[in-house]
Amino acid sequence: KNQVEQSPQSLIILEGKNCTLQCNYTVSPFSNLRWYKQDTGRGPVSLTIMTFSENTKSNGRYTATLDADTKQSSLHITASQLSDSASYICVVSVNSGGYQKVTFGTGTKLQVIP
Amino acid sequence: EAGVTQSPTHLIKTRGQQATLRCSPISGHTSVYWYQQALGLGLQFLLWYDEGEERNRGNFPPRFSGRQFPNYSSELNVNALELEDSALYLCASNSILSGIRDTGELFFGEGSRLTVL
Repeated sequence: KNQVEQSPQSLIILEGKNCTLQCNYTVSPFSNLRWYKQDTGRGPVSLTIMTFSENTKSNGRYTATLDADTKQSSLHITASQLSDSASYICVVSVNSGGYQKVTFGTGTKLQVIP
Repeated sequence: EAGVTQSPTHLIKTRGQQATLRCSPISGHTSVYWYQQALGLGLQFLLWYDEGEERNRGNFPPRFSGRQFPNYSSELNVNALELEDSALYLCASNSILSGIRDTGELFFGEGSRLTVL
């Protein structure tokens, strides 16, 4: 069964600190992995996308890494801000018959406190 | 360019009633996806429509149904509402015909909050 597991389930950090969120997946055949940010009560918004050949990709203070061999990804947030408080969702895509089938992780809820 | 729009933003129903939620995809997008997100839980895949046809369905009972119109907008119908149907219902769109076909990025709307009393 294709699965995407994220850890930790929730995290509280002080403003200005760094943090790393983890994503392990068993989805196969892998097409790409994307991290979404979802503010409470809002729709998710894509932060980064990584394909099989990419190891690292940055988007401002967000840096995603991918190890396709171990099927692990991480999202590192540098110098956290209060606005980073949100759920971060790892989504893995499978290319199937010309369509992208996606599997969502359950997310990590991050709370940044002053 | 307008993003994915959903309506209504909030909907309150009583148990046993029917709810209809609507979604307009980004212009040019042919695929519409529906997800349910109960409070504190992850996104659960409901339905996927592309070019007017249902392409895939999640593990939900038949009282969850929908359709996609010729203009690619979509509606989700939930019949015989139950208390546990209370959730945020998210619609997302993408296109297999554009350059983002290879990335599969989903563009989400802001959701419709359904409360069943």
